Amino acid sequence: DTGVSQDPRHKITKRGQNVTFRCDPISEHNRLYWYRQTLGQGPEFLTYFQNEAQLEKSRLLSDRFSAERPKGSFSTLEIQRTEQGDSAMYLCASSQTGWGTDTQYFGPGTRLTVL
Amino acid sequence: TQLLEQSPQFLSIQEGENLTVYCNSSSVFSSLQWYRQEPGEGPVLLVTVVTGGEVKKLKRLTFQFGDARKDSSLHITAAQPGDTGLYLCAGVMNRDDKIIFGKGTRLHILP
Repeated sequence: DTGVSQDPRHKITKRGQNVTFRCDPISEHNRLYWYRQTLGQGPEFLTYFQNEAQLEKSRLLSDRFSAERPKGSFSTLEIQRTEQGDSAMYLCASSQTGWGTDTQYFGPGTRLTVL
Repeated sequence: TQLLEQSPQFLSIQEGENLTVYCNSSSVFSSLQWYRQEPGEGPVLLVTVVTGGEVKKLKRLTFQFGDARKDSSLHITAAQPGDTGLYLCAGVMNRDDKIIFGKGTRLHILP
């Protein structure tokens, strides 16, 4: 396992369409995080899972956003009825609790452009 | 409200010069991390500091955690063009909490 992977790397869609992103964490990691990063900003927390349980959701995560991690391994982030303001880099990270400082390892991100 | 303030936001200096980037907060963190991010890629962890006053060195990079665990600095000695990138600090308030990121310092080293 070489690290966190995300698919697709780039997505261009029209306003109003639905999109789904996938994240595959480091295999032994039990925690998985989703972040959003817009130009000139640091990553902003969206939600995280411990195993298959979604433990926290940011107020940034509107009703149009949903995330799942059904088997405690890979995760999907779906955005329904996309808006231009959803254009951003969506980052996934994973970590293993109990290893000290809960270091998160990031994937390469999915860059979403909503036209 | 930005919990972690990074300064400067942008820095462009000549190769060979030294520089320091700061990360400040009014909140106490159980640990603080520094990441470097290249365009179109995810952040890559450089270091984690845990103990107040801790200093860690990574080749030409020196990281320090403030005594009160509210601030941190990154010092680069003899900067090289390969150091160019976005440097992000990120704080963890306790072991089970999410990471809070600063906005980053965009560093450009001119050859």
